[in-house]
Amino acid sequence: AQKVTQAQTEISVVEKEDVTLDCVYETRDTTYYLFWYKQPPSGELVFLIRRNSFDEQNEISGRYSWNFQKSTSSFNFTITASQVVDSAVYFCALSYNNNDMRFGAGTRLTVKP
Amino acid sequence: EAGVTQFPSHSVIEKGQTVTLRCDPISGHDNLYWYRRVMGKEIKFLLHFVKESKQDESGMPNNRFLAERTGGTYSTLKVQPAELEDSGVYFCASSQWRLAGLNEQFFGPGTRLTVL
Repeated sequence: AQKVTQAQTEISVVEKEDVTLDCVYETRDTTYYLFWYKQPPSGELVFLIRRNSFDEQNEISGRYSWNFQKSTSSFNFTITASQVVDSAVYFCALSYNNNDMRFGAGTRLTVKP
Repeated sequence: EAGVTQFPSHSVIEKGQTVTLRCDPISGHDNLYWYRRVMGKEIKFLLHFVKESKQDESGMPNNRFLAERTGGTYSTLKVQPAELEDSGVYFCASSQWRLAGLNEQFFGPGTRLTVL
């Protein structure tokens, strides 16, 4: 079965703090893709990153970084020096058949000034 | 280039009524997907069109839901009759067709449906 778990329902931090959003997945497939999406208050889902199962290299993009560890089936997302504009719901997702995506329940991040 | 658009952005209806949601994918995208998020839970896959054909509708909750994509362009999702548990946000996504590899999905802003 394919499943994505985001155990943190809500996180609240103060601006400039670092914050890590956890994502744990389950799959029997050897080839799969992992995603993070951001849902700002405007409602649309904004693509942040995609990783395939054969590429465990961690990635950094500005203040965002992702830590993919197959050994623990985790794909965690860290925001460094958080800003108020980072406030949103963040979804982790898994795709195994190139079409339907399995999402986690989302983590609501609130960054206070 | 215009993104995926959805109409309406919000809909409030009473139990038993009918509602039709519309999705316009990115031009040229053969794949169209419907998802929904209910009561702050995970976003769940509903179905997938390739052009006008239903490729996978395994996520459709029951026969009160009917999705169509006539002509392979825009799609509609009709809920008839609507029940309280249908309340949630309905997302549409589209992607290009590729023979192999990942089809990156672009999401619309969603339609928030409230059934009273």
